[in-house]
Amino acid sequence: AAGVIQSPRHLIKEKRETATLKCYPIPRHDTVYWYQQGPGQDPQFLISFYEKMQSDKGSIPDRFSAQQFSDYHSELNMSSLELGDSALYFCASSSGQEARNEKLFFGSGTQLSVL
Amino acid sequence: AQKVTQAQTEISVVEKEDVTLDCVYETRDTTYYLFWYKQPPSGELVFLIRRNSFDEQNEISGRYSWNFQKSTSSFNFTITASQVVDSAVYFCALSGVRAGGTSYGKLTFGQGTILTVHP
Repeated sequence: AAGVIQSPRHLIKEKRETATLKCYPIPRHDTVYWYQQGPGQDPQFLISFYEKMQSDKGSIPDRFSAQQFSDYHSELNMSSLELGDSALYFCASSSGQEARNEKLFFGSGTQLSVL
Repeated sequence: AQKVTQAQTEISVVEKEDVTLDCVYETRDTTYYLFWYKQPPSGELVFLIRRNSFDEQNEISGRYSWNFQKSTSSFNFTITASQVVDSAVYFCALSGVRAGGTSYGKLTFGQGTILTVHP
């Protein structure tokens, strides 16, 4: 079965550079979520989108922005990168139509290293 | 505010032993979902189970079983006859419930329990 696809798998950037992470949800899933997991930490919710509109916002820095496109894929844009942004970034997707069988599926994550 | 506490930071067992991972949660919501995820060394988060707060029936899936006790706000996870491949970080998580019954994807995770199963 198709899963949540994230790209790139690994990304290395310098301080103050920008980065774009992409997420392709499971087909027919209309909701995407972004999480940040620092080393040895639990995942922290950043932001979510439902039907291309922002649905919820967590501890996302102002330097970050995200959007969901018409094909439901999502991109997380990160500017003025800082060393502390080094983390594993997860995208997850779900379908708002399948409450009974809903499972929140995560992608494999993008490992961002800021040098 | 929601909070999830996993009492054990690390657990080490020998293969074939049974192991229980504890999870205690706090929420003001009357309806909520509880989850368990597995994060193997490769890093991905693998969905294991979602439990509705209205359903206190325990669940068994192969060697995995879950004990949900609303009275003590606990959702413990037991692996029977553990195997080396069970070595991973296990996260318990909590979310609210939307009007339509789906979960908010804004999960509150516990700090995780590192399980190491030795051969």
